Amino acid sequence: GDSVTQMEGPVTLSEEAFLTINCTYTATGYPSLFWYVQYPGEGLQLLLKATKADDKGSNKGFEATYRKETTSFHLEKGSVQVSDSAVYFCALSGGTSYGKLTFGQGTILTVHP
Amino acid sequence: GAGVSQTPSNKVTEKGKYVELRCDPISGHTALYWYRQSLGQGPEFLIYFQGTGAADDSGLPNDRFFAVRPEGSVSTLKIQRTERGDSAVYLCASSLNAGEGEQYFGPGTRLTVT
Repeated sequence: GDSVTQMEGPVTLSEEAFLTINCTYTATGYPSLFWYVQYPGEGLQLLLKATKADDKGSNKGFEATYRKETTSFHLEKGSVQVSDSAVYFCALSGGTSYGKLTFGQGTILTVHP
Repeated sequence: GAGVSQTPSNKVTEKGKYVELRCDPISGHTALYWYRQSLGQGPEFLIYFQGTGAADDSGLPNDRFFAVRPEGSVSTLKIQRTERGDSAVYLCASSLNAGEGEQYFGPGTRLTVT
């Protein structure tokens, strides 16, 4: 079946540092790819998405590019802020996961001032 | 407008008891999803509805779990003979249609089985 693997955390950075959270996937067909974020005490929110190969999703300074050749969707941000501290989940939908989301295990990000 | 709401926010029950968890989707959303999130893990799919019918229930772990959506809006997840391993946060999400558009998540119900 479909699966998503994220880099293990937690990740701890200083403010203004560069962020990369790796995500790779296994899926049949052509899934859509997502990054969701869960801020402390809040529900899951969609951060960005890409629906086909070479698409770049972006939001709030975060970016991720759908790389079919490497089956990856790595999340990046050039300069993180303390307010970016949260849990980040990579997910896919489509292929054999039509309709439903298949999530990675999540990566905890902590940003210090 | 109102987002996805779930009740109760917390539920503590004894092993062997029956529980019901409720989800109110965003108005007009025809697709509704249930996920379960254990501590330190990503959400795991349980079941989703398109309208009143369960389109995919492949994630339900066993026959103690059942969900309904009789009028195509509110959904109830029912767990019989609860076990300690059922303790988790149960998340509900909705979208305009299955496979289309963003899934909007509710705040979850934290279930603790003692």
